[in-house]
Amino acid sequence: DTEVTQTPKHLVMGMTNKKSLKCEQHMGHRAMYWYKQKAKKPPELMFVYSYEKLSINESVPSRFSPECPNSSLLNLHLHALQPEDSALYLCASSQRGLAGAGELFFGEGSRLTVL
Amino acid sequence: SQKIEQNSEALNIQEGKTATLTCNYTNYSPAYLQWYRQDPGRGPVFLLLIRENEKEKRKERLKVTFDTTLKQSLFHITASQPADSATYLCALPLTGNTPLVFGKGTRLSVIA
Repeated sequence: DTEVTQTPKHLVMGMTNKKSLKCEQHMGHRAMYWYKQKAKKPPELMFVYSYEKLSINESVPSRFSPECPNSSLLNLHLHALQPEDSALYLCASSQRGLAGAGELFFGEGSRLTVL
Repeated sequence: SQKIEQNSEALNIQEGKTATLTCNYTNYSPAYLQWYRQDPGRGPVFLLLIRENEKEKRKERLKVTFDTTLKQSLFHITASQPADSATYLCALPLTGNTPLVFGKGTRLSVIA
């Protein structure tokens, strides 16, 4: 099994809603990532968890709150978002954490629309 | 400041020809470089990784070169097919222990 599974695939929310994006991998990978991708732009890093500890937060607004309950799961909690936060949110994992070269395994993404 | 540039936003080629995509970087000295394929509305898929001490890497119809003097990687698809149409992203770590930063990508269209 080499999959990274993201749910939901599509999410529409109002600016006052609270919702969560979920990501799961069962490859035993030790680093998990959230990337944000707007149309015709490259993926931009938001957060990195390495060995279940938050290692990198790329100055993301506090209305995005990551959580890593265990080594297989990664959540992104959303609250009071703005319309400009509408994007494709990609989860990824890598085998060895941040150190050392390694490919990223991406999920299919969660398409978020904020009204 | 550090920069990754992929030569063109879009590239159209005829089926059967070789597609060549370019990735240039400035103010980096990456230990490796990776190439990904992304189809519309889907997550990127890893294709190839090349390390700084490797000149060339091949995988089926794909070939990647890495010139650390020119600070450039070339990505070739030989005998291109319409199914190769996608956006191709190069990605580098800023340092040895940092996550990948992606270039803007080149949208390849292979015309039958």
